[in-house]
Amino acid sequence: GESVGLHLPTLSVQEGDNSIINCAYSNSASDYFIWYKQESGKGPQFIIDIRSNMDKRQGQRVTVLLNKTVKHLSLQIAATQPGDSAVYFCAESPKAAGNKLTFGGGTRVLVKP
Amino acid sequence: EPEVTQTPSHQVTQMGQEVILRCVPISNHLYFYWYRQILGQKVEFLVSFYNNEISEKSEIFDDQFSVERPDGSNFTLKIRSTKLEDSAMYFCASSTGTGTQTTYEQYFGPGTRLTVT
Repeated sequence: GESVGLHLPTLSVQEGDNSIINCAYSNSASDYFIWYKQESGKGPQFIIDIRSNMDKRQGQRVTVLLNKTVKHLSLQIAATQPGDSAVYFCAESPKAAGNKLTFGGGTRVLVKP
Repeated sequence: EPEVTQTPSHQVTQMGQEVILRCVPISNHLYFYWYRQILGQKVEFLVSFYNNEISEKSEIFDDQFSVERPDGSNFTLKIRSTKLEDSAMYFCASSTGTGTQTTYEQYFGPGTRLTVT
C-alpha cells in the first residue's frame, strides 16, 4: 500500500526560551540512548547521549534526562536559537558499540524569532 | 573534523535495476551501518557490519540487499533489483569501539536519495 507520512508533533518555541522534547522508549533492555538532530535534506547529527547507568547528562546548552522507571527520555535545549529549528529524534540501543539504533518518531522544533 | 561521506547524493533508477550506494566511513572506525528513511517517516536500521561480516540485519534487509567493504575505505550497499518501495533516503553511519575505549556514537553521512521509477 501507499506509505503514509509520519505526522510529527511540533514544538513552537520563542527564540531565547528553553525547549523540552520528550521521548518514550519501550525496550527495557536498552542501555544507550542518543538524541539526534536532523535538518531538512541532511543526515542525523549527534547531539548528546546517555548510558542507562546515568539519569542526567549535560552538554553545551543541552541536557538529557533519563527516567528508566517510566522509560522516558527528554532533551532540554537552553536559550533556543533559530539554528535549533529541526526535527529531533531519540534513539536507543541495547548494548555497546556495533548495535543497531532504534529511532523514535521525531519532534519538529520551530523557533520563532 | 572527520565525517562520513556518501555518493551519489541522488540516484534515479528504473524498477528492476541494480544500484550501488557508496559510503566512505570515518577512517579509524570499525563498525559500519546502513539505515534508510522513507520520506516523512522515521529512520530505520538496515544492517550493521564489523570485521568484514554482517553483525546484524533487519527484516527489511532481504536477499535483494548486500553490503561490502571492497577496500580499506569504502562501504557499499547494493540493491540487486530495485522496487518502487525502495525509494528512500539511505544513510551510512560508522562508529568506533575497541576495548575500554568503546564509544557508541554513530556518525551519519548526508545520505543518498534513491528514487525508483
